[in-house]
Amino acid sequence: SAVISQKPSRDICQRGTSLTIQCQVDSQVTMMFWYRQQPGQSLTLIATANQGSEATYESGFVIDKFPISRPNLTFSTLTVSNMSPEDSSIYLCSVGLNGGSGDTQYFGPGTRLTVL
Amino acid sequence: GENVEQHPSTLSVQEGDSAVIKCTYSDSASNYFPWYKQELGKRPQLIIDIRSNVGEKKDQRIAVTLNKTAKHFSLHITETQPEDSAVYFCAAHSGTYKYIFGTGTRLKVLA
Repeated sequence: SAVISQKPSRDICQRGTSLTIQCQVDSQVTMMFWYRQQPGQSLTLIATANQGSEATYESGFVIDKFPISRPNLTFSTLTVSNMSPEDSSIYLCSVGLNGGSGDTQYFGPGTRLTVL
Repeated sequence: GENVEQHPSTLSVQEGDSAVIKCTYSDSASNYFPWYKQELGKRPQLIIDIRSNVGEKKDQRIAVTLNKTAKHFSLHITETQPEDSAVYFCAAHSGTYKYIFGTGTRLKVLA
C-alpha cells in the first residue's frame, strides 16, 4: 500500500471563495484520482490526474470549477472554485498501485468541506 | 453507461451470524473487483479484491465470489463481530484505471 496524506483535513469556507486541497503520497505513483463523497453517499470520481498530462474529468465536472495540478509523481492538488453550499462534501484523493492484485486504489483520509 | 448495483442498502445481523452483500456490474470488460470498508468519519479501506480469472478468494472471515457469466460478485463475512459494522462499497474496474463504485451497504452487527 502507500501512506497518503491530505491537507486540510477539514475547512469551513464562505460562498464564492476557493479552496485548494493537497494530496501527498510517500511513493511515486502514476495514477492519482480525486473523488467527492456527499454525506451518506457513494464515491463519485471527479477526475483522474496523471503526471505530465492534463487531468481527465468525468461527466458533470469541469476544469474551471475543479482545477487540478499534478506537478510530480507524489503530489496533487484539487481546487474547488467559486464555492457554493452545494460543494459541501468530503473530497478524497486516491492513488492507483499496480500490486499483485492489479490496479488497486488506496485512499487518503479525506477533506471535509463545509461552505456557508 | 457503466453501472454497479449493490444490495442491500442496509443489513442488520446478529453477532456471530454471516452477512452477504451482492453487486452486479454492467460492463463485461470489467476485470477487477475490490471491496472497501468505510467506518464513520474514516477513509475507505480495501478489505479484499478479486480478479476476473478467479472465482473465489478468501481471507480469514471474509470471502468474495465472482460469477462472470452473470456479471455479479458478492462479499461474504462469517462470524460477524461488532467491529464489522461499517459501510461497505463494491467497485468494478475495467482497465481504464477508473472504478465504478456501488451505492454502498450499511452493515450493523448487533451484539
